[in-house]
Amino acid sequence: KAGVTQTPRYLIKTRGQQVTLSCSPISGHRSVSWYQQTPGQGLQFLFEYFSETQRNKGNFPGRFSGRQFSNSRSEMNVSTLELGDSALYLCASSLGGQGSGEQFFGPGTRLTVL
Amino acid sequence: AQSVTQLGSHVSVSEGALVLLRCNYSSSVPPYLFWYVQYPNQGLQLLLKYTSAATLVKGINGFEAEFKKSETSFHLTKPSAHMSDAAEYFCAVSYPTGANSKLTFGKGITLSVRP
Repeated sequence: KAGVTQTPRYLIKTRGQQVTLSCSPISGHRSVSWYQQTPGQGLQFLFEYFSETQRNKGNFPGRFSGRQFSNSRSEMNVSTLELGDSALYLCASSLGGQGSGEQFFGPGTRLTVL
Repeated sequence: AQSVTQLGSHVSVSEGALVLLRCNYSSSVPPYLFWYVQYPNQGLQLLLKYTSAATLVKGINGFEAEFKKSETSFHLTKPSAHMSDAAEYFCAVSYPTGANSKLTFGKGITLSVRP
């Protein structure tokens, strides 16, 4: 079974631009979560989507948004990029049942904002 | 609210020595607990998980962890370190109830293995 895939793997953008990251979950998984990883803040939860609905949200500004499609693929969008948005963005998928918890991570998208 | 504390940011051991990475958690309800490993330029790989069954959990690559409720701890151990174990290790907690898959991570510990 194929793992979680994320595209692109690397991105370079400038301040003020917007960016869209994509995540394809493991086949059969209905939940997709997004995390931001930085050296200073570590791993922080952005949001989770389940059956095309945002089910949980972390403490990030509204510039960070996401969506999920009917095939469970998910996209994350960041508008008006800031230097501090430079990070590794990780996507994780799970079956999505009640309290399942166990998540499988993709390789991440490395975003650099100049 | 749930939280995870991983004391120290870096642990260095000799090849063949015991690996001990500490994790303490705070949760208002009995938690699910996880250890993940991250190699450079890669995502996170699940090493093992505790989900209220046996308190001693065995994972991949010879790692194991013991859930101790009285100490609110979930320390990761491996009897004999291998060079390939050098990586960053994260402890994480989630709630076992409700439709909530959110993981809360510790800051991570970098493990170095000396020849």
